[in-house]
Amino acid sequence: QLQLQESGPGLVKPSETLSLTCSVSGVSIISRSYCWGWIRQPPGKGLEWIGSLDYSGGTYYNPSLRSRVTISGDTSKNQFSLKLRSVTAADTAVYYCARSSFGELSQFDPWGQGTLVTVSS
Amino acid sequence: QSVLTQPPSASGTPGQRVTISCSGGTSNIGSNYVYWYQQLPGTAPKLLIYRNNQRPSGVPDRFSGSKSGTSASLAISGLRSEDEADYYCAAWDDSLSGVVFGGGTKLTVL
Repeated sequence: QLQLQESGPGLVKPSETLSLTCSVSGVSIISRSYCWGWIRQPPGKGLEWIGSLDYSGGTYYNPSLRSRVTISGDTSKNQFSLKLRSVTAADTAVYYCARSSFGELSQFDPWGQGTLVTVSS
Repeated sequence: QSVLTQPPSASGTPGQRVTISCSGGTSNIGSNYVYWYQQLPGTAPKLLIYRNNQRPSGVPDRFSGSKSGTSASLAISGLRSEDEADYYCAAWDDSLSGVVFGGGTKLTVL
């Protein structure tokens, strides 16, 4: 059964880099059928796509975050990671990782349980 | 402000049929599939409808999706108290080269 689990620090200081990892079990992240994405949700607000990684290492980023985001994969650990640089309080959110289908990046299924990251000094 | 526009709230009584709209443009809904997600309180979103009107296995047939032009709708028939949740639409946007979400609709079962 496919499962995704986010992990990383729950508190990040302003101007520093937010780093999260999504551990995937049940399917290989280099499967040609799938892509792997990050989505965030500020407290009390809606969903925002951050970016996605495909099986070959190709990346797709939200234009509004592109200059600060890097998504990469570690095939040896079957994990993929998010790095968001120069964070501010506006980056405080629950961060979700999710699988999508290659060619249908908007189809996220399943999702991880999410992890809250607070940006504060 | 979201690229896809949803009403912030909707409501209905048990047994009723409710619809939630999602309005976009030619670069997103008008030329790509629409997806719907259900987010129960305190939980991660769950895929409810894919490719405009397809239900993943396990999703009751009370939930249905449709698309016309640059708008889409989610219909819930036979409303139940457990349907109380936030609902989001999503689509790929060719102009932005990215995934866009609606702002979400909070459904209340009265």
